[in-house]
Amino acid sequence: NAGVTQTPKFQVLKTGQSMTLQCAQDMNHNSMYWYRQDPGMGLRLIYYSASEGTTDKGEVPNGYNVSRLNKREFSLRLESAAPSQTSVYFCASSEPYTDTQYFGPGTRLTVL
Amino acid sequence: GENVEQHPSTLSVQEGDSAVIKCTYSDSASNYFPWYKQELGKRPQLIIDIRSNVGEKKDQRIAVTLNKTAKHFSLHITETQPEDSAVYFCAASPGSARQLTFGSGTQLTVLP
Repeated sequence: NAGVTQTPKFQVLKTGQSMTLQCAQDMNHNSMYWYRQDPGMGLRLIYYSASEGTTDKGEVPNGYNVSRLNKREFSLRLESAAPSQTSVYFCASSEPYTDTQYFGPGTRLTVL
Repeated sequence: GENVEQHPSTLSVQEGDSAVIKCTYSDSASNYFPWYKQELGKRPQLIIDIRSNVGEKKDQRIAVTLNKTAKHFSLHITETQPEDSAVYFCAASPGSARQLTFGSGTQLTVLP
């Protein structure tokens, strides 16, 4: 039981490049989330998926797209990376009926 | 939307002393309040949570109190140890949407 996994762990992009961050969970959770963490600002919700086939915007969705591929996988795509997207990205999933969220190990992204 | 404020941003205590971190929230519909601990370079991990039908919850050296009328909740750590040093985040959720809004974090340092 690996919990929530994310790939890659680290990534450096140039401005304008695109990439997809991958997230998977093996806990049979319905809900999944993408956050970004910037110094002094806590974690901010980018997008979430309450169940397979549904996605909704969070607090800071601009510049990102998501895909809930199936119940296990939730990916985050940056179509044209900008330096303002330099951050640590965390994926999370939550148990049904309890709201308890479990986080992945994070992806540290730098956009030059 | 929900707004969560967290104080203080940094806190230093002597080993064995108590530490208290406070959060206020704005949305009276919020009914779930978790606390996460994040060690340097690691993922946030849930340490304790409380729901709005409970005023206090304890787990060994950690306790959380909730005042729904005043819309604030607090984390109390007793008999602090060096391994308690980390960043602590509070969060609030209206429940039905299963979205968490996080505070900006408190860097706790326990001095030996």
